[in-house]
Amino acid sequence: AQRVTQPEKLLSVFKGAPVELKCNYSYSGSPELFWYVQYSRQRLQLLLRHISRESIKGFTADLNKGETSFHLKKPFAQEEDSAMYYCASPMKNTGFQKLVFGTGTRLLVSP
Amino acid sequence: GAVVSQHPSRVICKSGTSVKIECRSLDFQATTMFWYRQFPKQSLMLMATSNEGSKATYEQGVEKDKFLINHASLTLSTLTVTSAHPEDSSFYICSARTSGPRYTGELFFGEGSRLTVL
Repeated sequence: AQRVTQPEKLLSVFKGAPVELKCNYSYSGSPELFWYVQYSRQRLQLLLRHISRESIKGFTADLNKGETSFHLKKPFAQEEDSAMYYCASPMKNTGFQKLVFGTGTRLLVSP
Repeated sequence: GAVVSQHPSRVICKSGTSVKIECRSLDFQATTMFWYRQFPKQSLMLMATSNEGSKATYEQGVEKDKFLINHASLTLSTLTVTSAHPEDSSFYICSARTSGPRYTGELFFGEGSRLTVL
């Protein structure tokens, strides 16, 4: 079954430290992957998608097909980065309409 | 970006009653909307796909008679939790994609509706 795995429930770092939130996917072919973020008391929103290869709020994510990973990275974490981060991928057998989410990683950036 | 709005944001009801949650796309038309359920400190679980003008399609394990979905217009989908029980207490989130010239592939989410069944 198609899965998106986020092994860490919580990642706690100090301000200015590098951050890497892990995401692994489980299907072959060319995946489409996203990172969504949910700040406290706010709705879920798209952070970035791999096909755009962009950097948003200092975050980047590179698709590694060999390792089937799409880890989210930021070189210097800020306190305002504290949030829940979800890795997601469209389900292949649904015309890529439905998203399957990882279990999420809570990032806590301390001063 | 596009805006998806849910109402109510919080609802408390007695066991056995039915509760309706609305999901609206405010500035775009959505032929398809998705309903998710999120338990505390857990991920979003897709419940069903709401299709404008036709029946919703439910994910495995989701009772269609318990969670009635109606998508009567291109900007409104409703989720009705029928004969609610305490185990139905959860955070319900809807989402939608833009279409046509505004299509980006991005899924836009509502702010969520927290249901508490006493």
